[in-house]
Formats: sequence, C-alpha cells, structure tokens
Amino acid sequence: QLQLRESGSGLMKSSETLSLTCTLSGASVTVGGSYWTWIRQSPGKGLEWIGQISHSADTNYNPSLTSRVSMSLDRSNNHFSMTLTSVTAADTAVYYCARSSVGATNKFDFWGPGTLVTVSS
Amino acid sequence: SSELTQDPAVSVALGDTVTITCQGDSLRNYYASWYQQKPGQAPRLVVSGKNNRPSGVPDRFTASDSGNTASLSITGAQAEDEADYFCASRVSVTKHVIFGGGTRVTVL
Repeated sequence: QLQLRESGSGLMKSSETLSLTCTLSGASVTVGGSYWTWIRQSPGKGLEWIGQISHSADTNYNPSLTSRVSMSLDRSNNHFSMTLTSVTAADTAVYYCARSSVGATNKFDFWGPGTLVTVSS
Repeated sequence: SSELTQDPAVSVALGDTVTITCQGDSLRNYYASWYQQKPGQAPRLVVSGKNNRPSGVPDRFTASDSGNTASLSITGAQAEDEADYFCASRVSVTKHVIFGGGTRVTVL
C-alpha cells in the first residue's frame, strides 16, 4: 500500500523559499503511469493544485504559480520535492502531496497527511 | 473559463438523499473526481471517472454527469458522511487540474 508523507519548512518569513519533500513508501517514484502532485489548502479555504511531476521528471505547474514553483524527483531516496520562491502570507497553507495517474490527472488516490506552512511578515 | 462552482453548504436528514453539484466548462470534456474531507484530515477520494469508487468507499456514494454539471449523490446519508466535499477536473490538454470551492454537508 502506497504511503506518502510530507516534510520541510514549517514557519517561514516573507520572501524566503519554501522547500518541501514527499517521501514514498510502498512504491517507487519511478513507477510508470504515476504523477506526483502537490496540492495546498489555505486555512478554512478550498484546495489548490500546485503542479505535478511524472515518473520521468516531466513537470506541469499551475499557471498562477509557474514563475515561482519548481519540482524534482530524487530516485535514490524515493521522494519528490517542490520549492516555492518569494513566499508571502498568501502562501500560508497546508501542503499535501498526492498521486494521480497518467490516464486521470484529477484522480488523486493517495494523499499524505499534509504539512502546515506558515509565512509571517 | 477554468472554474468549478459548488454550493457552499447543504444539509440532509439522517437517512435521506443529498446531491451535491459541480459546474464548469471543463466538465463537458472530462469526468469530475470527488473528495471527502473531514476536519484535520487529508482529502479522501470517493468517486472518480464515470462512477468508480475506491475500495472501502460505501456504495451509497454515486456520481453522475450531464453537460457542464457533475453530481455526487449520497443515498441514505449517515452521520459519518458529514464533511466537506470537493470536485476536481482536468483542464484541457494541458493536464492542469482545478478544484471546486467545496460543499459542506451537514447531516441533521
């Protein structure tokens, strides 16, 4: 059974760079057909798709964040990561990593528990 | 436009049926997926595709679609179904994904 867990920056200051890692167990980040995805949820708000990276490291980002976000794979450590530059209070959110599939990019069948990132000014 | 619209909240009597809707242009071309989220928890996939439920999701959750509207029905709502429900859709060939704003379901 696939499990994902987020780790990384917790409390940050404006203008800093957010770095998060999602570690997998029960499957390999290189398995074909999977998209490894980041999704966030601002306090009391809805979900926002940040972007995804494929098993072959092809990336696809939310147009509203594409200038600040970057994602990568670490095959040796079986995890994938994201960075978000120049954070502001608007980036305060719970950040989730999740898996979707090539055939259904909106079908997120496995999720991490989420990690809260707070940006203070 | 690249938006999905959901009603903010609905209520349902215990044992009754409630239908949540999700409207958006992308739904004319792509199936919605539906997620249940309880306080303090990550979202959980309940239905995807034409009407596919992951293992462990009760069959009282069913999905349907018509034109630009996707719907999730809970037949015989239980107390444990009280949660926020989000729809999600792919956006065109770019494979971007958008979420609806969510519907809070209260079971009375």
